[in-house]
Amino acid sequence: GEDVEQSLFLSVREGDSSVINCTYTDSSSTYLYWYKQEPGAGLQLLTYIFSNMDMKQDQRLTVLLNKKDKHLSLRIADTQTGDSAIYFCAESGSSNTGKLIFGQGTTLQVKP
Amino acid sequence: DADVTQTPRNRITKTGKRIMLECSQTKGHDRMYWYRQDPGLGLRLIYYSFDVKDINKGEISDGYSVSRQAQAKFSLSLESAIPNQTALYFCATSEGGGRNTEAFFGQGTRLTVV
Repeated sequence: GEDVEQSLFLSVREGDSSVINCTYTDSSSTYLYWYKQEPGAGLQLLTYIFSNMDMKQDQRLTVLLNKKDKHLSLRIADTQTGDSAIYFCAESGSSNTGKLIFGQGTTLQVKP
Repeated sequence: DADVTQTPRNRITKTGKRIMLECSQTKGHDRMYWYRQDPGLGLRLIYYSFDVKDINKGEISDGYSVSRQAQAKFSLSLESAIPNQTALYFCATSEGGGRNTEAFFGQGTRLTVV
């Protein structure tokens, strides 16, 4: 079945890089996503990667996709206190429904 | 104004009561979804709808029902609320199928069943 796994917690110091990892099971997923949830708010799309890519960079964000190992990572350069949030990895799955399969979410704590 | 609006934002209800959570969107999307979020479990899909005549169960639909009153409105009902339905509920929309399935989320409804 479809499953997405993430570690639950990451703590970094302000200015360091953060790397949040995710593994998934459905190799037929067309898109893989990273969503950010700030306290008291809904989820907001941070970035996504198409399955035929292995890297995507967007300002401080770098997404790496290893399709062979079904591993996705999100690197945040120069992490700021405003980056403190829960980060969800999600895959689109093999169906055409538009539904997303989410990981458990990684809470990123940024210490000053 | 938010593209996806959920009401209420917070609700406390008693076990056995019927409760409805509402969602409306201005994105013009056909596809709408209800998810619940539990700590350490991420988001899980309850129901989804492709249009007003097409409603589908997600992975955890037991104890829930939905109604798609219009393209812009999708409500979630708990017919007889129980404490393990205490969670944060999110409505989402997307253009869907075959293209980038970016989902747009509401702010969430925090439901507590006592």
